[in-house]
Amino acid sequence: EPEVTQTPSHQVTQMGQEVILRCVPISNHLYFYWYRQILGQKVEFLVSFYNNEISEKSEIFDDQFSVERPDGSNFTLKIRSTKLEDSAMYFCASRSGHRGRTGELFFGEGSRLTVL
Amino acid sequence: GENVEQHPSTLSVQEGDSAVIKCTYSDSASNYFPWYKQELGKRPQLIIDIRSNVGEKKDQRIAVTLNKTAKHFSLHITETQPEDSAVYFCAASTTRSSNTGKLIFGQGTTLQVKP
Repeated sequence: EPEVTQTPSHQVTQMGQEVILRCVPISNHLYFYWYRQILGQKVEFLVSFYNNEISEKSEIFDDQFSVERPDGSNFTLKIRSTKLEDSAMYFCASRSGHRGRTGELFFGEGSRLTVL
Repeated sequence: GENVEQHPSTLSVQEGDSAVIKCTYSDSASNYFPWYKQELGKRPQLIIDIRSNVGEKKDQRIAVTLNKTAKHFSLHITETQPEDSAVYFCAASTTRSSNTGKLIFGQGTTLQVKP
């Protein structure tokens, strides 16, 4: 069964450093998302991406964050200057879009980011 | 803005008993309501979903009910087993033109099934 894959599984970084989290969505999917989950809390929406551009973003997704789909398979989340509060599990998700605007999101295994 | 509230935050049941988790949503345009199960350190995985044109859906021991008027939906797990122990998240999504199918999640319910 096709899966969303993410790398790295865990990254430790110093405050102020740039981090890039990588995702390979399911190949025929059209909608891509980044979510984050602070330990013990709910899954929070960051950004959605469709047709090679950001379609929606949350208040969390400020100027320190950016997303890119540099080729036909990868989908990346960049945090320019990490803060302690960016420590969280970051999930990438994708959706086929074949059933219209809503439908199942398939999540990756997550990338745990620890900012020291 | 869009919001999903979930209760209870923790739920402990004896093996074989039923478990019910409830969610309410704020956006009346919401039309898709999935439930995800997340085991410790793992990804959220869909266990059942329902669309707003249906009031109830069942899949073996799991069922979801939806009350559009009251804007709430519930997950029912019957004959619980220890492997049902996990965190369960409800979510909602809308078809508003500005929305591309993002899910808004509830706070999660930690279900513990005691053998």
